[in-house]
Amino acid sequence: NAGVTQTPKFQVLKTGQSMTLQCAQDMNHEYMSWYRQDPGMGLRLIHYSVGAGITDQGEVPNGYNVSRSTTEDFPLRLLSAAPSQTSVYFCASSYRSGGSYNSPLHFGNGTRLTVT
Amino acid sequence: KNEVEQSPQNLTAQEGEFITINCSYSVGISALHWLQQHPGGGIVSLFMLSSGKKKHGRLIATINIQEKHSSLHITASHPRDSAVYICAVFQTGANNLFFGTGTRLTVIP
Repeated sequence: NAGVTQTPKFQVLKTGQSMTLQCAQDMNHEYMSWYRQDPGMGLRLIHYSVGAGITDQGEVPNGYNVSRSTTEDFPLRLLSAAPSQTSVYFCASSYRSGGSYNSPLHFGNGTRLTVT
Repeated sequence: KNEVEQSPQNLTAQEGEFITINCSYSVGISALHWLQQHPGGGIVSLFMLSSGKKKHGRLIATINIQEKHSSLHITASHPRDSAVYICAVFQTGANNLFFGTGTRLTVIP
């Protein structure tokens, strides 16, 4: 049972490049989500999914795309990287019962992304 | 606007002291989470609360739904408790998770 696996750990991109951050969980969690963490601002929700085939936008979705083709995987795509996307990114998952989130959150180890 | 406010932002304590971190929120919630993040490290879930009080070792978390307030207490603090503690809430009827900006705790030997 690996929990939430997030790759890569570090990434440097040039402005305009694209990349995909991978997130996988093996706990059969319905809810998966992506956050960015910036100094002084706390964690902010980018996109989330409540099940395979279902995704929705969070607080700061611009510049990011997601898809959820399986329960296990929830990749985050940066289509054209910008310096403002320099941040630490976390993926998290949770069990969802009857529409309520009443189980612990499980986080990946984070991806430190720098866009130059 | 911040749906979740934490206080204090920074806290320095001597080893052995009793620590309290506060979290106030402005939305109706289905659950409140307390998270711990060590420097350069990942984020670990400490507690998930929807009512009352939970205890795990030296950590105690309480929530008052009517007052929209939660506290995290650490008894007999230790230098290994030094970390950022984050409060997060799931808004009722929505899939939004809102985070506080965190409380940076430093415990000095």
